Amino acid sequence: GQNIDQPTEMTATEGAIVQINCTYQTSGFNGLFWYQQHAGEAPTFLSYNVLDGLEEKGRFSSFLSRSKGYSYLLLKELQMKDSASYLCAVRDDGNNRLAFGKGNQVVVIP
Amino acid sequence: DSGVTQTPKHLITATGQRVTLRCSPRSGDLSVYWYQQSLDQGLQFLIQYYNGEERAKGNILERFSAQQFPDLHSELNLSSLELGDSALYFCASSVGTSGAGETQYFGPGTRLLVL
Repeated sequence: GQNIDQPTEMTATEGAIVQINCTYQTSGFNGLFWYQQHAGEAPTFLSYNVLDGLEEKGRFSSFLSRSKGYSYLLLKELQMKDSASYLCAVRDDGNNRLAFGKGNQVVVIP
Repeated sequence: DSGVTQTPKHLITATGQRVTLRCSPRSGDLSVYWYQQSLDQGLQFLIQYYNGEERAKGNILERFSAQQFPDLHSELNLSSLELGDSALYFCASSVGTSGAGETQYFGPGTRLLVL
């Protein structure tokens, strides 16, 4: 079975840093993805981790600990356009299908 | 714009009816995935095709079926529709099926409302 857990909502101020956590329990592990989704729109790929450690991509960084079944997405220098849902997804087999968490809604306020 | 296209954008129909959703993958992508997103369930994987063949199946109801055609576009058929089938249906595509970092790119979705 698969269980991917994310907190549901958080509010942060423009210019601040926010960390979004994801814990997972899956039967296998073959990579973890973070997507951003604005309401009613398509999920957009942000980052990918398959080995332990930090991956940095501009204002976004993602961290993975496979032994703890844990990842986080760090958003720096928050902008109003970062208000969205952030989805954590685990690929648990070789067929590339993704199991998604329910997403964490981030609201950026001035 | 991800390069994945889906039609129609919106669909309103009645219970018991049948609809077909269409997806064209990004140029060069061989894999197509279908997902359902409802408010209470989040994004749920339905089915995957790779180069015309079914590759993986998720929580897809027997009333739902899909196929991928030789030109690699895919269709998702939903029949005997129920109120609970109202959701956003996304198609995604990727180059292959199992390489490291095989990223899925999502289309804009079809919003289905069953009345």
